[in-house]
Amino acid sequence: IQMTQSPASLSASVGDRVTITCRASQAIGNFLAWFQQKPGKVPKSLIYAASTLQSGVPSRFSGGGSGTDFTLTISSLQPDDFATYYCQHYNNYPFTFGPGTTVAV
Amino acid sequence: EVQLLQSGAEVKKPGASVKISCKVSGYRFIGYNIQWVVQAPGKGLEWVGLIDPEDGETKYAERFLGRVTISADTSTDTANLEVTNLQLVDSAVYYCTTWLYSGSSRSDHWGQGTLLTVSS
Repeated sequence: IQMTQSPASLSASVGDRVTITCRASQAIGNFLAWFQQKPGKVPKSLIYAASTLQSGVPSRFSGGGSGTDFTLTISSLQPDDFATYYCQHYNNYPFTFGPGTTVAV
Repeated sequence: EVQLLQSGAEVKKPGASVKISCKVSGYRFIGYNIQWVVQAPGKGLEWVGLIDPEDGETKYAERFLGRVTISADTSTDTANLEVTNLQLVDSAVYYCTTWLYSGSSRSDHWGQGTLLTVSS
């Protein structure tokens, strides 16, 4: 299964609503996770099962979709949210990551 | 507290082998898979494979088949990633990670990463 993300990068400002799209090459149900990574840091898990937030993740993050098309939305971008975001499916092996979307100022 | 503690940075020559370890604590090791993820400099995350410590069953991404071996030592609660015949392109940060499920809830935990440098 191949994963694609769009856009590859975007520029946004604090307070903006941001949406990132992830598409699977075949249906994966809701077996989709989202991760945030900042330069030089360990990835942070945000969402699993397409829409369930990991404990401690701010509610401004939300995930949606099922089948082949998924979204990660940040309702009001905060300074701490400038980072690269990856989706990953876990429907079957191998658990492929998307190429990433960088959210920049 | 759940912790995944990885071994330190490595510098290897092309053609050599390396074994990176991931020692876990704070949860039942044999209950949950350990995955390995690699990130080359300036690149995205790439899934390498995983192991079920309970029975040693492994799964690998096709690109790593034959050159990567994932193992688990249940006596020390440690997962290992061995890469043989190292190439310059293997220079990367390698992460171990586990997903702990409690009912339908999941919590993810990551190691701190191990930097591998392959250089002649």
